[in-house]
Amino acid sequence: EAGVTQFPSHSVIEKGQTVTLRCDPISGHDNLYWYRRVMGKEIKFLLHFVKESKQDESGMPNNRFLAERTGGTYSTLKVQPAELEDSGVYFCASSQSSRRTDTQYFGPGTRLTVL
Amino acid sequence: AQTVTQSQPEMSVQEAETVTLSCTYDTSESDYYLFWYKQPPSRQMILVIRQEAYKQQNATENRFSVNFQKAAKSFSLKISDSQLGDAAMYFCAYRSPGWRDDKIIFGKGTRLHILP
Repeated sequence: EAGVTQFPSHSVIEKGQTVTLRCDPISGHDNLYWYRRVMGKEIKFLLHFVKESKQDESGMPNNRFLAERTGGTYSTLKVQPAELEDSGVYFCASSQSSRRTDTQYFGPGTRLTVL
Repeated sequence: AQTVTQSQPEMSVQEAETVTLSCTYDTSESDYYLFWYKQPPSRQMILVIRQEAYKQQNATENRFSVNFQKAAKSFSLKISDSQLGDAAMYFCAYRSPGWRDDKIIFGKGTRLHILP
């Protein structure tokens, strides 16, 4: 069974440009999460989808970030326009349900560098 | 708000020896879940071990075990018979039990080096 996949693995863009990150969860997982780790800091929660609905987006830093999950399958996270402080590793995770006993499976992450 | 603290940014251990990674957390909840995640250099983060706060018995997974001290809010990870493949960043993490706030709260991580 394929795990959580993320694309691209690494993205380097200039300040002011737009970048779109993609996450494909494990097939059949209704719950999808985005997290971010800025260098030297904790991995922080960004938002949580249940199917195509945003359950919790309290961690989104500002309105330059837009997450979507059309059809309840894969998800995209768009940053527009990118700023220097957006650099970091963006992780996606999925779980079958929201039960706390269900493991969140993480993808390998997308390393975003904003110059 | 819940917080997770890992006070050891880096640690080293000789191959085949035992090492303990420290973690403390802060919460006002009485029931919750604690985790240790491992992120090897290839970057895929995987779950190492999980502890449910209502269970008094410490969780064990092969060479990995935890020392869960609920009153002290401490959750350390012990790795026995360390192997080269154990070299990774280890994250201590917390998850609330409620139907709201379905997110994992992570510590800053401890980078573990295994010396051959």
